[in-house]
Amino acid sequence: NAGVTQTPKFQVLKTGQSMTLQCAQDMNHNSMYWYRQDPGMGLRLIYYSASEGTTDKGEVPNGYNVSRLNKREFSLRLESAAPSQTSVYFCASSPRTGLAGSNTGELFFGEGSRLTVL
Amino acid sequence: QKEVEQNSGPLSVPEGAIASLNCTYSDRGSQSFFWYRQYSGKSPELIMFIYSNGDKEDGRFTAQLNKASQYVSLLIRDSQPSDSATYLCAPYTGRRALTFGSGTRLQVQP
Repeated sequence: NAGVTQTPKFQVLKTGQSMTLQCAQDMNHNSMYWYRQDPGMGLRLIYYSASEGTTDKGEVPNGYNVSRLNKREFSLRLESAAPSQTSVYFCASSPRTGLAGSNTGELFFGEGSRLTVL
Repeated sequence: QKEVEQNSGPLSVPEGAIASLNCTYSDRGSQSFFWYRQYSGKSPELIMFIYSNGDKEDGRFTAQLNKASQYVSLLIRDSQPSDSATYLCAPYTGRRALTFGSGTRLQVQP
């Protein structure tokens, strides 16, 4: 019963280094998301993928790229890390977007990846 | 104006009391509303979902929705120390993804 799995759980980078956060879900969900959480800021959407083959920007996409590799996997890449990207990153999935008025908007979260950029 | 506003707290209540958590939202297109609980260092977990005006009860939790006032609340009856966490409100319009408030930190004093 893995649900949503993120790797790595912790990472320390130097400014300018690159890295990829990996996310995989085993619930056959269509939609996947990347959020970041900073103290006092709540969860902010970076990118999302409504379905396999599509990706869209969220609220804070600058400095990030994503790849929806297949239905299960959605990765987040930092090409040149900056201290402002120090945060906790959460991957999430949902059955699908749309159809407000039902609970299909419910998100299932991974355990988070804590990233520090020095 | 923020899309979702919550009092950051901490909201401190004694064990056994009712905790009332409030959330206002700006997008009138919001149709569904989620309450997530997040323990320190953990990921958010869904505790309540509501999309009709009025009250929805689930055990010790009651969600209340007033779309005309753009207001949603979460009541926790018989609060327990294990309820101490941050509670995130998230309206959903059916577009894109959930938009989260910054959360209210609840502390239940034994």
